[in-house]
Amino acid sequence: SQQGEEDPQALSIQEGENATMNCSYKTSINNLQWYRQNSGRGLVHLILIRSNEREKHSGRLRVTLDTSKKSSSLLITASRAADTASYFCATDKSSGDKLTFGTGTRLAVRP
Amino acid sequence: EAGVAQSPRYKIIEKRQSVAFWCNPISGHATLYWYQQILGQGPKLLIQFQNNGVVDDSQLPKDRFSAERLKGVDSTLKIQPAKLEDSAVYLCASSRDRWQETQYFGPGTRLLVL
Repeated sequence: SQQGEEDPQALSIQEGENATMNCSYKTSINNLQWYRQNSGRGLVHLILIRSNEREKHSGRLRVTLDTSKKSSSLLITASRAADTASYFCATDKSSGDKLTFGTGTRLAVRP
Repeated sequence: EAGVAQSPRYKIIEKRQSVAFWCNPISGHATLYWYQQILGQGPKLLIQFQNNGVVDDSQLPKDRFSAERLKGVDSTLKIQPAKLEDSAVYLCASSRDRWQETQYFGPGTRLLVL
């Protein structure tokens, strides 16, 4: 079953704008990760946030985690056409546990 | 460092036929994962190996799917017989060990069952 549900399902923005996508999950987690998937390709790990962290940055990426609301958000600043991809959140319940992926947000960045 | 290799990249078969996918993980990675990704959904774990042992195969449809990693390096996933609903992308991933949180994915095999 899908642990995470991303919102929105699809997002279209202009190059240079910021993109925000959200992930909600149902049960307590250990870690939450975000992955990117370009069309027809495998997934690439973007960032990991632990359950005791509230915010994390990596380059143009900012991830927040609110365990009380069981939700996370991924912000991509100053988007580029190359950011066009599907973005998935993935959670695990404990160290060494399997990852459960959400349904994904399809982001289109118009040049 | 070479990434995760998968073959073939594409496969078209008719229902009730059999098919096999191959994966070679990143060198030195002890943990290997097979995922099924149906169009419009996120990847779903089918089976996880730690070296040549199975850690989790709770979501593997064992009546038709099988997987092995005999020497603890490369792995094959087989479907026999295939059903229409098996049409999906099959992704292989690896990690240094099961406690390394980051997984590295291969390009996937796109399967179409007619």
